[in-house]
Amino acid sequence: GAGVSQSPRYKVAKRGQDVALRCDPISGHVSLFWYQQALGQGPEFLTYFQNEAQLDKSGLPSDRFFAERPEGSVSTLKIQRTQQEDSAVYLCASSLSGRADGEQFFGPGTRLTVL
Amino acid sequence: QKEVEQNSGPLSVPEGAIASLNCTYSDRGSQSFFWYRQYSGKSPELIMSIYSNGDKEDGRFTAQLNKASQYVSLLIRDSQPSDSATYLCAVLSSGGYNKLIFGAGTRLAVHP
Repeated sequence: GAGVSQSPRYKVAKRGQDVALRCDPISGHVSLFWYQQALGQGPEFLTYFQNEAQLDKSGLPSDRFFAERPEGSVSTLKIQRTQQEDSAVYLCASSLSGRADGEQFFGPGTRLTVL
Repeated sequence: QKEVEQNSGPLSVPEGAIASLNCTYSDRGSQSFFWYRQYSGKSPELIMSIYSNGDKEDGRFTAQLNKASQYVSLLIRDSQPSDSATYLCAVLSSGGYNKLIFGAGTRLAVHP
């Protein structure tokens, strides 16, 4: 298992429920990213961690979205009080270094459907 | 105007032909550029990165970068049906921490 892994792969939530999405980056990768991909669109940046520090959360769409990476490895993206517009694929990516030209490698994604 | 523009396609090419995918971007400060391939229902897969003006070749793939024109392209030689996918152009934003800005992707269809 050398790649980025995410769980669950699929999540169905009722409007108003809270969800938590998990990402396991490639071992040793310093940088971790969350992106949101709507159908027919490219991924959109949500937030960035370098080790345990959240350096950029400018893409989080509202204060219902929260991400953490407490020990600098596994990360969790939490969405509170889900809304229908939150339905999307949530992609996690990791990069070996914190350098700005680092290549990012994506996990399989979590498809979230909010009913 | 979107920050990264791609023709949505579909771009249809016969097997064995050269497929040419284009991308323009608005951030003049960007220095790093990437092409990802995304099969339907799958996640993006990195296929090329390019940082300097000119061409970069890797197997059947050639990435071309012209920073003055803010233009990136991907050529796929000897196209195969297995190349049929959506190709995403990504630009590393100059204004944030390693944030990739993606285009909406170009759908490529290679027919036998």
